[in-house]
Amino acid sequence: DIQMTQSPSTLSASVGDRVTITCRASQSINTWLAWYQQKPGKAPNLLIYRASSLESGVPSRFSGSGSGTEFTLTISSLQPDDFATYYCQQYNTYYTFGQGTKLEIK
Amino acid sequence: VQLVESGGGLVQPGGSLRLSCAASGFTFSSYWMSWVRQAPGKGLEWVANIKEDGSEKYYVDSVKGRFTISRDNAKNSLYLQMNSLRAEDTAVYYCARARMTSSWAPADYWGQGTLVTVSS
Repeated sequence: DIQMTQSPSTLSASVGDRVTITCRASQSINTWLAWYQQKPGKAPNLLIYRASSLESGVPSRFSGSGSGTEFTLTISSLQPDDFATYYCQQYNTYYTFGQGTKLEIK
Repeated sequence: VQLVESGGGLVQPGGSLRLSCAASGFTFSSYWMSWVRQAPGKGLEWVANIKEDGSEKYYVDSVKGRFTISRDNAKNSLYLQMNSLRAEDTAVYYCARARMTSSWAPADYWGQGTLVTVSS
């Protein structure tokens, strides 16, 4: 089974900050990686697919990069609506989610 | 696009429950569909996937032999039959649609979720 490990688990930041979340796969997944945002009590929202492709309607301040086993999600300038929990997901072999990164207001 | 889950509730350990997901606003028979769950206060866990025609089904190891995913394309509906339920199956269960037709892909539309509680 492919394991996904996100870091950090919690991130404190301020509006306007640039933040980066990392996701590591236990084996190569090429670029079969997605990123989701989830707010409390809501379903996840797809942000990025194929490691770096922005889903339609997602603000351009979100970007993704990486291949193989190392991936990053970057938010270029945090907005108040961005404080949420973020999950990576591999879809190379079945699906596996990372444990999540909670982005908190500093 | 709309996905509406139903069928959740309180069930005793060892019991059974059938979840349903009613789909509308897209050609249901053209998409892989998934069930994903989230235990209270925990992260997301993929449960099962089914191909657009129902010919392929995949499960996470922890539910193999206990859960069955199925679909009825004539009724635009997705199902999850859950047997031999355990306390650790307690979660909100989401149905979700793959973002591309006829493709194993991440999910771009999700339902609102239905809560399953396994407890005596």
